[in-house]
Amino acid sequence: QVQLQQSGPGLVKPSQTLSLTCAISGDSVSSNSAAWNWIRQSPSRGLQWLGRTYYRSKWYNDYAVSVKSRITISPDTSKNHFSLQLNSVTPEDTAVYYCARGNSLYSSSSNVYYYGMDVWGQGTAVTVSS
Amino acid sequence: DIQMTQSPSSLSASVGARVSITCRASQSITSYLNWYQQKPGKVPKLLIYGASNLQSGVPSRFSGSGSGTDFTLTVSGLQPEDFATYYCQQGYSAPFTFGPGTRVDIK
Repeated sequence: QVQLQQSGPGLVKPSQTLSLTCAISGDSVSSNSAAWNWIRQSPSRGLQWLGRTYYRSKWYNDYAVSVKSRITISPDTSKNHFSLQLNSVTPEDTAVYYCARGNSLYSSSSNVYYYGMDVWGQGTAVTVSS
Repeated sequence: DIQMTQSPSSLSASVGARVSITCRASQSITSYLNWYQQKPGKVPKLLIYGASNLQSGVPSRFSGSGSGTDFTLTVSGLQPEDFATYYCQQGYSAPFTFGPGTRVDIK
């Protein structure tokens, strides 16, 4: 059974860097079929996908345009985890942050693989405040 | 970015009722549409992927339909544990945007 365990601080000062880690058990960060995502949720923005990292013979990243200049998602194969770094945070970055596995999910009726977030971390409430 | 909208934003229904939630994408996403359920204080849970495929372990009273830009999640015979917020999400292309959610309350 795949599990994701998040860790990191719940309080970050404005202009500083938000750093969270997601430890994977039961799967590999280097999986050739999964991708490793960060998503956040706030009352004002709802669920917002931030980005992902994945391995397909080499490492790739995709990021949301709204945070692209400030975000880094990186894998650590030695620890089987992946991390989120969000720079220059403001109070608008206050949210619950989730890591999630994006998996290739097979449909036998259409013989197609679809991409969905099937395993989620427990969530980390992060407040940006001085 | 592909924009996702949902309607209604909230609804009230009785146990045993049949409810439907609509999701619309700003451009065609063929069948790359997922539905999630989130209960207060809990993590989102994948219910349906590929517009109509039930995720393992999800009760068969949940069903999904649609393709292109218009999709529907239906719950046939609402149970007390189904009162939650439901989100659609497009899995067609990054960024994988979510809809704003539909809250289902007890009537």
